[in-house]
Amino acid sequence: DIRMTQSPTSLSASVGDGVTITCRASQSISNFLNWYQQRPGEAPKLLVYRASTLEGGVPSRFSGSGSGTDFTLTITGLQPEDFATYHCQQSYSSPTFGQGTRLEIK
Amino acid sequence: EVQLLEAGGGVVQPGGSLRVSCAASGFTFSSYAMSWVRQAPGKGLEWVSGISASGGNTYYADSVKGRFSISRDNSKKTLYLQMNSLRADDTAVYYCAKEPVTSSRYFDSWGQGTLVTVSS
Repeated sequence: DIRMTQSPTSLSASVGDGVTITCRASQSISNFLNWYQQRPGEAPKLLVYRASTLEGGVPSRFSGSGSGTDFTLTITGLQPEDFATYHCQQSYSSPTFGQGTRLEIK
Repeated sequence: EVQLLEAGGGVVQPGGSLRVSCAASGFTFSSYAMSWVRQAPGKGLEWVSGISASGGNTYYADSVKGRFSISRDNSKKTLYLQMNSLRADDTAVYYCAKEPVTSSRYFDSWGQGTLVTVSS
């Protein structure tokens, strides 16, 4: 199985800040990398697929980049509804997820 | 609007069995591959099992292979997960999830989840 490692596991930021979350794959996965947002008590929601394509309806302050083994999710101008947990997931082979990054309000 | 509604969760003893289901609406169910993804309390997401649109191909994580069985009834627009020989570490919220494109292996719609607790 391909192992996905996210960093940091948690971070604190303020409304209006920008943040970057990193996801590393244990082997090259081309651009088969997806990002999800999960608010407490809710199901995950697809944000970005194939590393950099925004899912319909997702605000443009979210962006994804990377290829091979290293990927990033960047959020600019944080809004109150963005404080949540973010998960990366590879779709190169049988799906595996990162451990999640919890974004908290400072 | 795509809707996925899981049901059937509950408390089961170690070694026991349980079947959870997922009723789909708002899309042509028979055209899309589906999966089950679980999340243990306070933990990350784990893909459990997937099934092709026709039901002819099934896939399992090593952690459940031989114990869990995925199936679907396209006439009823329902996805199932039969779970046997349950263990404490199977305790989790089980989500059904839809793939946007065949063999895409990512998920554009999720249900609200059903909690399975394995405990004596």
